[in-house]
Amino acid sequence: GAVVSQHPSWVICKSGTSVKIECRSLDFQATTMFWYRQFPKQSLMLMATSNEGSKATYEQGVEKDKFLINHASLTLSTLTVTSAHPEDSSFYICSSTSGGGQPQHFGDGTRLSIL
Amino acid sequence: DAKTTQPNSMESNEEEPVHLPCNHSTISGTDYIHWYRQLPSQGPEYVIHGLTSNVNNRMASLAIAEDRKSSTLILHRATLRDAAVYYCILRNFGNEKLTFGTGTRLTIIP
Repeated sequence: GAVVSQHPSWVICKSGTSVKIECRSLDFQATTMFWYRQFPKQSLMLMATSNEGSKATYEQGVEKDKFLINHASLTLSTLTVTSAHPEDSSFYICSSTSGGGQPQHFGDGTRLSIL
Repeated sequence: DAKTTQPNSMESNEEEPVHLPCNHSTISGTDYIHWYRQLPSQGPEYVIHGLTSNVNNRMASLAIAEDRKSSTLILHRATLRDAAVYYCILRNFGNEKLTFGTGTRLTIIP
């Protein structure tokens, strides 16, 4: 069964709307969660690393005020795309790990379409 | 991060073994070799990982060259459900991040 649950699986909304995506670790306490973005026919690009109870670490070129990440518990991280515009349309994927070099477990992704 | 090189695409017949190569000539002694795959419209899925010795699990086998500069993911009997993009990734010990390259798109021919 799924180890990481991501919700919603798809969302369509108007330009200027803020969208929140949830990522839940179901089977273990995730010390670290990651957020990726994937454009069509491209590979996954890491956006940020999220550690429970601390501020997220963003990759170069990712606007922290645009993509708000909250990791308030060991089983839940959220990504909020603020004031979304059509260029933010993408496939957003989260993953979690219990650390110690263990594999990452990925959610099924959220397809975001901004009109 | 050390880089990996994979063929862009490969084809294989259903029910036959598949050997997916990966070159990583700049691998360091503390880099683990990880393989993930991504089925269409889904998040990636962990397949297997290793350091020096060959590894087997229920999904696949990982053969690592003696000098560790290359590795091969082996699917023993491909099914249509194995059609996916396969990513070979080097992950340094103590670093939880994964850097995805372009991967190999595997097509299974019925």
